[in-house]
Amino acid sequence: NAGVTQTPKFRILKIGQSMTLQCTQDMNHNYMYWYRQDPGMGLKLIYYSVGAGITDKGEVPNGYNVSRSTTEDFPLRLELAAPSQTSVYFCASSQQGAGYTFGSGTRLTVV
Amino acid sequence: GESVGLHLPTLSVQEGDNSIINCAYSNSASDYFIWYKQESGKGPQFIIDIRSNMDKRQGQRVTVLLNKTVKHLSLQIAATQPGDSAVYFCAESFTGGGNKLTFGTGTQLKVEL
Repeated sequence: NAGVTQTPKFRILKIGQSMTLQCTQDMNHNYMYWYRQDPGMGLKLIYYSVGAGITDKGEVPNGYNVSRSTTEDFPLRLELAAPSQTSVYFCASSQQGAGYTFGSGTRLTVV
Repeated sequence: GESVGLHLPTLSVQEGDNSIINCAYSNSASDYFIWYKQESGKGPQFIIDIRSNMDKRQGQRVTVLLNKTVKHLSLQIAATQPGDSAVYFCAESFTGGGNKLTFGTGTQLKVEL
């Protein structure tokens, strides 16, 4: 039982490059989320989805895009990477009214 | 806006002692609260949750207390062990809020031998 799987685990990007952070879950959860965590800080919500085909902005959506074509997958896209996007990114999933299951994170550095 | 904050950023305890980590929340509409543990280099791990119709819930070595009057949440860890060393986050959500959790900044728990 894999839970929530994120790839890659680490990535270094140059300013202006783009990339997609992958997230997949095998628990048939309807809800999926993307958070970023800056050093010594809590988690801030970037985007979330309540089901396939439905996405919505969180607290810090600027510079990111998401899609939810299937229940299992919720990729996060960075179009023009900026140093301010250096962070650790966590994907999570849940059922309604329940706690989250988190992935192990993607550590992104933009130089 | 909604916010969840913690009173103590760092807590040091002796092995075997009890630990108490506190959290204040500001959204009176929040009705679901969770404590997460995050070890270095890992994602947050669910510890225990509580709904607003309860004021106490116990798990294995952990207890969560909820005081809705003063919007305060606490996590008690009994007989703290070295493996408990981590950052602990409280989080809150409310019914109808898309199941979105708002996280606090976190408290670093250090267990001294």
